[in-house]
Amino acid sequence: EDKVVQSPLSLVVHEGDTVTLNCSYEVTNFRSLLWYKQEKKAPTFLFMLTSSGIEKKSGRLSSILDKKELFSILNITATQTGDSAVYLCAVGRNSGNTPLVFGKGTRLSVIA
Amino acid sequence: DSGVTQTPKHLITATGQRVTLRCSPRSGDLSVYWYQQSLDQGLQFLIQYYNGEERAKGNILERFSAQQFPDLHSELNLSSLELGDSALYFCASSTTSGVETLHFGNGTRLTVT
Repeated sequence: EDKVVQSPLSLVVHEGDTVTLNCSYEVTNFRSLLWYKQEKKAPTFLFMLTSSGIEKKSGRLSSILDKKELFSILNITATQTGDSAVYLCAVGRNSGNTPLVFGKGTRLSVIA
Repeated sequence: DSGVTQTPKHLITATGQRVTLRCSPRSGDLSVYWYQQSLDQGLQFLIQYYNGEERAKGNILERFSAQQFPDLHSELNLSSLELGDSALYFCASSTTSGVETLHFGNGTRLTVT
């Protein structure tokens, strides 16, 4: 059975800290790994990764994929209270038209 | 704003009842996905439609059904509701039927009492 496991499940940090969120996966016919940020409502797209070792960056957020070790990390530097959210990792597959498989998420709380 | 519209935002109903959740995808998107999110299970895939046809099915209960109409909006029907069906139900859409970035609506929070 396909699996996406995120760690830690929750994290509390102070503003200005750097955090690393982890996502490991076991899926057949891997195609892509995506990160989403979910605040109060709809998950919003952050990154899509398809190639190993190529870092994607957006402001203070960055992510990288390791297809050999089957994991990805999401880094957030100089955290702000607005980064408080649940961060979801999802994996897409090549087989047929199968949807994204999501992990349970990491709940990040940034305190002032 | 993702462009995906879900109604209603909240729904409170009793066990044994039936409800219909509605989703309008982003303009131009042909694929609609339904996900269920509960506290302990995360986002669970229910079903996908592409241009009116069912394309993929996840762990959707037999009491649940969905369809996508010619104007591409979709409805998720939940019947014989149980307390455990209380959850946030998300609709997402994408341009194609393949694995592309999904754009999520704000969800319908269903509470079964």
